[in-house]
Amino acid sequence: AQSVTQPDIHITVSEGASLELRCNYSYGATPYLFWYVQSPGQGLQLLLKYFSGDTLVQGIKGFEAEFKRSQSSFNLRKPSVHWSDAAEYFCAVGADRGSTLGRLYFGRGTQLTVWP
Amino acid sequence: DVKVTQSSRYLVKRTGEKVFLECVQDMDHENMFWYRQDPGLGLRLIYFSYDVKMKEKGDIPEGYSVSREKKERFSLILESASTNQTSMYLCASSSFFEASGANVLTFGAGSRLTVL
Repeated sequence: AQSVTQPDIHITVSEGASLELRCNYSYGATPYLFWYVQSPGQGLQLLLKYFSGDTLVQGIKGFEAEFKRSQSSFNLRKPSVHWSDAAEYFCAVGADRGSTLGRLYFGRGTQLTVWP
Repeated sequence: DVKVTQSSRYLVKRTGEKVFLECVQDMDHENMFWYRQDPGLGLRLIYFSYDVKMKEKGDIPEGYSVSREKKERFSLILESASTNQTSMYLCASSSFFEASGANVLTFGAGSRLTVL
């Protein structure tokens, strides 16, 4: 079965610093991978997704993520964090076929705090 | 723009009450999902549906049921609410017919339920 691990529960960075949020997944075939962001009191918004092709994907708000099959990782990065990036970030994995088509499995989330 | 609307943002109910959480999407999506979100646990799938009048159990279906009488509407029912069902409930939808779209979930803003 698919699963996702986000090793960092909480990360604090200064505004303007770079950011990397870690995500490791478990899945037997080629996964569909996602990063979502949740601002306080809101639903989840899609930041970016990887289905196939170029392993470095660009998303909204200046975020990017790199799929590394050998490490089963899909880490999220941003070169310079803005105070408005403070939120909770969720990594998710989905299947391209089979009985779990359409389902996403989510990590437990990483809470990002940004210092001014 | 896909829109998923959850009718109640905040609810307060008493133990033993029957609770209905309503979700409507306006983009003719086939798939609809109910997730529960708790701090430190991420999102856990309660039920999902791939078509009208069909439903599939997710990972934590106990104490919940669902109804999908129309394609655009997916209701989550707590037959007899308990305090351990106090949580944030998130509805999502997706389409099988967009390119790889089965896995791209669009979320509602969430319904925060408190059971006293």
